[in-house]
Amino acid sequence: GDSVTQMEGPVTLSEEAFLTINCTYTATGYPSLFWYVQYPGEGLQLLLKATKADDKGSNKGFEATYRKETTSFHLEKGSVQVSDSAVYFCALSGGSYIPTFGRGTSLIVHP
Amino acid sequence: GAVVSQHPSRVICKSGTSVKIECRSLDFQATTMFWYRQFPKQSLMLMATSNEGSKATYEQGVEKDKFLINHASLTLSTLTVTSAHPEDSSFYICSASGISNEKLFFGSGTQLSVL
Repeated sequence: GDSVTQMEGPVTLSEEAFLTINCTYTATGYPSLFWYVQYPGEGLQLLLKATKADDKGSNKGFEATYRKETTSFHLEKGSVQVSDSAVYFCALSGGSYIPTFGRGTSLIVHP
Repeated sequence: GAVVSQHPSRVICKSGTSVKIECRSLDFQATTMFWYRQFPKQSLMLMATSNEGSKATYEQGVEKDKFLINHASLTLSTLTVTSAHPEDSSFYICSASGISNEKLFFGSGTQLSVL
C-alpha cells in the first residue's frame, strides 16, 4: 500500500539557517503530495501541495518539488525563523482524498 | 479558514473507564469526519471514517466495539474509547471535510493517558 517516509527529528537549527526535511513515498499511480504543519497546541494545517510531477508547491517561504524519478518531496526553506518551530508532516493522497501521513518531523529553531 | 475544535486536549483516566473525545466543526458543515491515532514517533494512522447520519467505516485492525464513533450531526463527531487500557494511551486527532471534500481541517488532538 501507499506509504510515506520522512526523516526522524528533531531537527534543531539556528535562526536564518537553511532547512531541509526529507520525504520519500511509495504509491501506485500518480498521487498528490502534501506538507502539513502543526504548531504547538494547534491542529494540522496544510502548508503546501503539489499534484503532479515537477510541480513545486510553495507557501510562507517553504518549497517542495514533486520528484517522480526519486519519489521524493523534500521540504526546504532558505532562512528559518523561531516561529517556524513546529511538527511537519509529509503526506500523499492517491485515489481517495484521504491522506496517508508520514510520522512527522519536529523542527526546533533557536534564536 | 475553517476551524475544527477538539476537546479535551489532554485526558488521564483509570484503566477500565471510558473516555469520550469530541470534535466539532465551528463554521462549516462537516459531512465527513476522520479519526486518526498517533503513537510516539509513528505516522498518523487512520482509524475510521464517518459520514453524518451513518455508521462509521473502520480501518482494518481497528476494533469498532472498542472505539465507538458517533456522527449524529453535521458539526459534531465523538470518539469513545471504551474500557480503556494502558495500550490505548495515544494521541488522537480528528479531521473534517465539507461538502466539496477538497480540503481537510484538523483538530488540535487529544493526548490520552490510561493509568
